[in-house]
Amino acid sequence: QVQLQQWGAGLLKPSETLSLTCAVYGGSFSGYYWSWIRQPPGKGLEWIGEINHGGNTYYNPSLKSRATVSVDTSKNQFSLRLTSVTAADAAVYYCARRCAGGDCYRPLDPWGQGTLVTVSS
Amino acid sequence: DIQMTQSPSSLSASVGDRVTITCRASQSISSYLNWYQQKPGKAPKLLIYGASSLQSGVPSRFSGSESGTDFTLTINSLQPEDFATYYCQQTYTTPRTFGQGTKVEIK
Repeated sequence: QVQLQQWGAGLLKPSETLSLTCAVYGGSFSGYYWSWIRQPPGKGLEWIGEINHGGNTYYNPSLKSRATVSVDTSKNQFSLRLTSVTAADAAVYYCARRCAGGDCYRPLDPWGQGTLVTVSS
Repeated sequence: DIQMTQSPSSLSASVGDRVTITCRASQSISSYLNWYQQKPGKAPKLLIYGASSLQSGVPSRFSGSESGTDFTLTINSLQPEDFATYYCQQTYTTPRTFGQGTKVEIK
């Protein structure tokens, strides 16, 4: 059974860079896309971006190129960097897996446990 | 971006009730529509994928349907553990947008 375990700094100052990592245990790393999603406190879900094992990426344009998703296939890990954070970036950040291929409807499953990121001076 | 309009934003229901939540896409998304359940402090959990396919391990009282760009999540015979917030998500194209959520509360 695939499990995703994520970690990263939980308290940032404005203008700093958010850095989170998600490790994949118990399953194949190739053949899937690996995603990041966030949820501001008390609000809905926002898709950030995704990457496959070959490094092919898609991003949400709303983040205006501040987000970078990368992959380390040797460790079965993928990461999110978000530059120049502001209070608007404060949220719980989740990692998740989605299937790839022509017969896949691309649902997100499973999800990591979530990491709360606070932005405060 | 494709807008996903979910309704209602909240509802009150009793155990045993049938509950229906709707999600409307701003353009055609074929069947690339998924439903998630989220409980407080927890990550979302996949319920339905491809508009109507039940994820393994999810109780059969949950079902999904589609009609054009309108999608419906139905919970038959609501159980105490079903009180949560439900989200739809389109995965037809990027950005992969979510509906704003429907909170199902106890009446």
